[in-house]
Amino acid sequence: ELKVEQNPLFLSMQEGKNYTIYCNYSTTSDRLYWYRQDPGKSLESLFVLLSNGAVKQEGRLMASLDTKARLSTLHITAAVHDLSATYFCAVDVGADGLTFGKGTHLIIQP
Amino acid sequence: DTAVSQTPKYLVTQMGNDKSIKCEQNLGHDTMYWYKQDSKKFLKIMFSYNNKELIINETVPNRFSPKSPDKAHLNLHINSLELGDSAVYFCASSLRGASTDTQYFGPGTRLTVL
Repeated sequence: ELKVEQNPLFLSMQEGKNYTIYCNYSTTSDRLYWYRQDPGKSLESLFVLLSNGAVKQEGRLMASLDTKARLSTLHITAAVHDLSATYFCAVDVGADGLTFGKGTHLIIQP
Repeated sequence: DTAVSQTPKYLVTQMGNDKSIKCEQNLGHDTMYWYKQDSKKFLKIMFSYNNKELIINETVPNRFSPKSPDKAHLNLHINSLELGDSAVYFCASSLRGASTDTQYFGPGTRLTVL
Protein backbone atom coordinates (compact mmCIF):
# COMPACT_ATOMS: atom_id res chain seq x y z
CA GLU A 1 0.00 0.00 0.00
CA LEU A 2 1.33 3.41 -0.96
CA LYS A 3 2.10 5.67 1.97
CA VAL A 4 2.65 9.40 1.72
CA GLU A 5 4.07 11.14 4.76
CA GLN A 6 4.29 14.85 5.25
CA ASN A 7 6.11 16.69 7.95
CA PRO A 8 5.59 18.74 9.82
CA LEU A 9 1.82 18.38 10.14
CA PHE A 10 1.56 21.71 11.88
CA LEU A 11 3.77 24.74 11.40
CA SER A 12 3.53 28.16 12.94
CA MET A 13 6.02 30.68 11.67
CA GLN A 14 6.61 34.38 11.50
CA GLU A 15 6.38 36.53 8.43
CA GLY A 16 9.67 36.95 6.66
CA LYS A 17 11.04 33.56 7.66
CA ASN A 18 11.91 30.62 5.42
CA TYR A 19 10.77 27.08 5.93
CA THR A 20 10.46 23.73 4.17
CA ILE A 21 7.71 21.13 4.16
CA TYR A 22 8.77 17.56 3.40
CA CYS A 23 6.86 14.84 1.60
CA ASN A 24 8.09 11.24 1.56
CA TYR A 25 6.38 8.45 -0.33
CA SER A 26 6.82 4.72 -0.25
CA THR A 27 6.65 3.54 -3.86
CA THR A 28 8.00 4.51 -7.24
CA SER A 29 6.20 7.39 -8.88
CA ASP A 30 7.14 10.07 -11.36
CA ARG A 31 4.20 12.31 -10.61
CA LEU A 32 3.89 14.35 -7.50
CA TYR A 33 1.47 17.18 -6.83
CA TRP A 34 1.20 19.97 -4.32
CA TYR A 35 -2.17 21.43 -3.44
CA ARG A 36 -3.28 24.27 -1.22
CA GLN A 37 -6.51 24.28 0.76
CA ASP A 38 -7.95 27.29 2.57
CA PRO A 39 -10.42 26.68 5.41
CA GLY A 40 -13.79 25.57 4.08
CA LYS A 41 -12.56 25.69 0.49
CA SER A 42 -11.58 23.31 -2.24
CA LEU A 43 -8.11 22.20 -3.25
CA GLU A 44 -6.08 24.45 -5.50
CA SER A 45 -3.31 22.94 -7.61
CA LEU A 46 0.06 24.56 -6.94
CA PHE A 47 2.65 22.39 -8.64
CA VAL A 48 2.93 19.27 -10.75
CA LEU A 49 6.34 17.60 -10.62
CA LEU A 50 6.86 15.02 -13.31
CA SER A 51 10.48 13.92 -13.26
CA ASN A 52 13.49 13.44 -11.08
CA GLY A 53 15.15 16.75 -10.32
CA ALA A 54 12.09 18.78 -11.29
CA VAL A 55 11.96 22.18 -9.65
CA LYS A 56 9.12 24.64 -9.98
CA GLN A 57 8.65 28.07 -8.47
CA GLU A 58 5.68 30.35 -8.12
CA GLY A 59 6.13 33.49 -6.11
CA ARG A 60 7.42 32.62 -2.65
CA LEU A 61 6.86 28.88 -3.10
CA MET A 62 9.29 26.45 -4.66
CA ALA A 63 8.76 22.72 -5.04
CA SER A 64 11.27 20.04 -5.93
CA LEU A 65 11.22 16.31 -6.55
CA ASP A 66 13.85 13.62 -5.96
CA THR A 67 12.37 10.37 -7.25
CA LYS A 68 15.35 8.32 -6.15
CA ALA A 69 14.94 9.43 -2.56
CA ARG A 70 11.13 9.44 -2.98
CA LEU A 71 11.11 12.91 -1.52
CA SER A 72 9.53 16.19 -2.46
CA THR A 73 9.96 19.50 -0.72
CA LEU A 74 7.90 22.68 -0.67
CA HIS A 75 10.04 25.63 0.31
CA ILE A 76 8.57 28.89 1.51
CA THR A 77 10.70 31.99 1.16
CA ALA A 78 10.07 35.15 3.21
CA ALA A 79 6.64 33.97 4.30
CA VAL A 80 3.67 36.32 4.24
CA HIS A 81 0.35 35.97 6.03
CA ASP A 82 -1.54 35.18 2.80
CA LEU A 83 0.32 31.88 2.55
CA SER A 84 -1.46 30.58 5.66
CA ALA A 85 -3.33 27.45 4.55
CA THR A 86 -3.11 23.68 4.60
CA TYR A 87 -0.70 22.23 2.05
CA PHE A 88 -1.04 18.70 0.72
CA CYS A 89 1.32 16.64 -1.32
CA ALA A 90 -0.15 13.82 -3.38
CA VAL A 91 1.32 10.96 -5.37
CA ASP A 92 -0.11 9.49 -8.54
CA VAL A 93 0.59 5.82 -9.22
CA GLY A 94 -1.84 5.28 -12.05
CA ALA A 95 -5.54 5.09 -12.58
CA ASP A 96 -6.29 4.70 -8.90
CA GLY A 97 -6.33 8.42 -8.26
CA LEU A 98 -4.12 10.41 -5.95
CA THR A 99 -2.82 9.30 -2.57
CA PHE A 100 -2.55 12.31 -0.31
CA GLY A 101 -0.36 13.10 2.64
CA LYS A 102 -2.08 14.20 5.84
CA GLY A 103 -1.47 17.85 5.06
CA THR A 104 0.62 20.55 6.69
CA HIS A 105 -1.40 23.19 8.50
CA LEU A 106 0.63 26.37 8.08
CA ILE A 107 0.01 29.49 10.13
CA ILE A 108 2.04 32.59 9.36
CA GLN A 109 1.93 35.25 12.01
CA PRO A 110 2.72 38.91 11.53
CA ASP B 1 -17.59 29.02 -16.30
CA THR B 2 -16.91 26.80 -13.30
CA ALA B 3 -14.60 23.95 -14.25
CA VAL B 4 -15.80 21.30 -11.77
CA SER B 5 -19.10 21.89 -10.02
CA GLN B 6 -20.92 19.95 -7.34
CA THR B 7 -24.41 20.09 -5.91
CA PRO B 8 -25.49 20.45 -3.26
CA LYS B 9 -22.85 22.38 -1.33
CA TYR B 10 -24.35 21.30 1.99
CA LEU B 11 -26.41 18.21 2.73
CA VAL B 12 -27.93 17.42 6.11
CA THR B 13 -29.87 14.20 6.46
CA GLN B 14 -30.93 11.48 8.85
CA MET B 15 -29.29 8.11 9.34
CA GLY B 16 -30.68 5.45 7.06
CA ASN B 17 -31.61 7.82 4.24
CA ASP B 18 -30.38 7.55 0.66
CA LYS B 19 -28.82 10.61 -0.95
CA SER B 20 -26.99 11.64 -4.10
CA ILE B 21 -24.34 14.23 -4.84
CA LYS B 22 -23.96 15.48 -8.38
CA CYS B 23 -20.73 16.43 -10.12
CA GLU B 24 -20.17 17.99 -13.52
CA GLN B 25 -17.00 19.06 -15.29
CA ASN B 26 -16.75 21.23 -18.40
CA LEU B 27 -13.04 20.72 -19.01
CA GLY B 28 -13.37 17.94 -21.55
CA HIS B 29 -11.60 15.56 -19.18
CA ASP B 30 -11.97 11.81 -19.54
CA THR B 31 -11.51 10.71 -15.95
CA MET B 32 -13.43 11.70 -12.84
CA TYR B 33 -12.91 10.92 -9.18
CA TRP B 34 -14.56 11.07 -5.81
CA TYR B 35 -12.57 11.82 -2.67
CA LYS B 36 -13.65 11.89 0.96
CA GLN B 37 -12.15 14.38 3.42
CA ASP B 38 -12.85 13.55 7.04
CA SER B 39 -12.98 15.81 10.08
CA LYS B 40 -9.18 15.60 10.45
CA LYS B 41 -8.80 16.79 6.85
CA PHE B 42 -7.49 13.43 5.67
CA LEU B 43 -8.24 13.00 1.97
CA LYS B 44 -8.86 9.56 0.56
CA ILE B 45 -9.69 8.40 -2.94
CA MET B 46 -13.01 6.59 -3.20
CA PHE B 47 -13.48 6.04 -6.93
CA SER B 48 -11.70 6.63 -10.17
CA TYR B 49 -13.79 6.39 -13.34
CA ASN B 50 -13.49 6.91 -17.03
CA ASN B 51 -15.62 5.57 -19.81
CA LYS B 52 -13.67 2.36 -19.80
CA GLU B 53 -13.18 1.36 -16.24
CA LEU B 54 -14.26 1.98 -12.70
CA ILE B 55 -11.68 1.56 -9.99
CA ILE B 56 -13.02 1.30 -6.51
CA ASN B 57 -10.97 1.77 -3.38
CA GLU B 58 -11.45 -1.49 -1.54
CA THR B 59 -12.12 0.29 1.74
CA VAL B 60 -15.24 2.01 0.38
CA PRO B 61 -18.47 0.37 1.58
CA ASN B 62 -20.74 -0.92 -1.16
CA ARG B 63 -23.39 1.53 0.07
CA PHE B 64 -21.50 4.05 -2.05
CA SER B 65 -21.92 3.83 -5.79
CA PRO B 66 -20.79 6.16 -8.58
CA LYS B 67 -23.10 6.71 -11.52
CA SER B 68 -21.98 8.33 -14.74
CA PRO B 69 -24.64 9.28 -17.28
CA ASP B 70 -21.95 10.70 -19.58
CA LYS B 71 -18.28 11.72 -19.63
CA ALA B 72 -18.99 15.10 -18.06
CA HIS B 73 -20.85 13.80 -15.04
CA LEU B 74 -20.07 11.49 -12.15
CA ASN B 75 -22.67 11.37 -9.42
CA LEU B 76 -22.23 9.73 -6.05
CA HIS B 77 -25.13 7.79 -4.60
CA ILE B 78 -25.10 6.73 -0.98
CA ASN B 79 -27.52 4.22 0.49
CA SER B 80 -28.43 3.78 4.15
CA LEU B 81 -26.40 6.70 5.40
CA GLU B 82 -24.44 6.25 8.63
CA LEU B 83 -23.04 8.73 11.11
CA GLY B 84 -19.51 7.92 9.95
CA ASP B 85 -20.36 9.07 6.44
CA SER B 86 -20.32 12.67 7.64
CA ALA B 87 -17.47 14.34 5.76
CA VAL B 88 -16.72 16.64 2.87
CA TYR B 89 -16.88 14.90 -0.49
CA PHE B 90 -14.86 16.28 -3.37
CA CYS B 91 -15.28 15.48 -7.01
CA ALA B 92 -12.27 15.91 -9.30
CA SER B 93 -11.42 15.41 -12.94
CA SER B 94 -8.36 15.04 -15.10
CA LEU B 95 -7.24 14.20 -18.62
CA ARG B 96 -5.27 11.01 -18.22
CA GLY B 97 -2.21 10.77 -20.36
CA ALA B 98 -1.90 14.52 -20.66
CA SER B 99 1.54 15.95 -19.96
CA THR B 100 0.51 17.39 -16.62
CA ASP B 101 -2.56 15.30 -15.77
CA THR B 102 -3.47 17.67 -12.95
CA GLN B 103 -6.63 16.85 -11.09
CA TYR B 104 -9.03 19.75 -10.73
CA PHE B 105 -11.27 19.66 -7.71
CA GLY B 106 -14.85 20.77 -7.24
CA PRO B 107 -15.93 23.00 -4.35
CA GLY B 108 -16.93 20.06 -2.15
CA THR B 109 -20.17 18.87 -0.58
CA ARG B 110 -20.35 18.90 3.19
CA LEU B 111 -22.48 15.95 4.26
CA THR B 112 -23.81 15.81 7.80
CA VAL B 113 -25.62 12.69 8.94
CA LEU B 114 -27.71 13.09 12.09
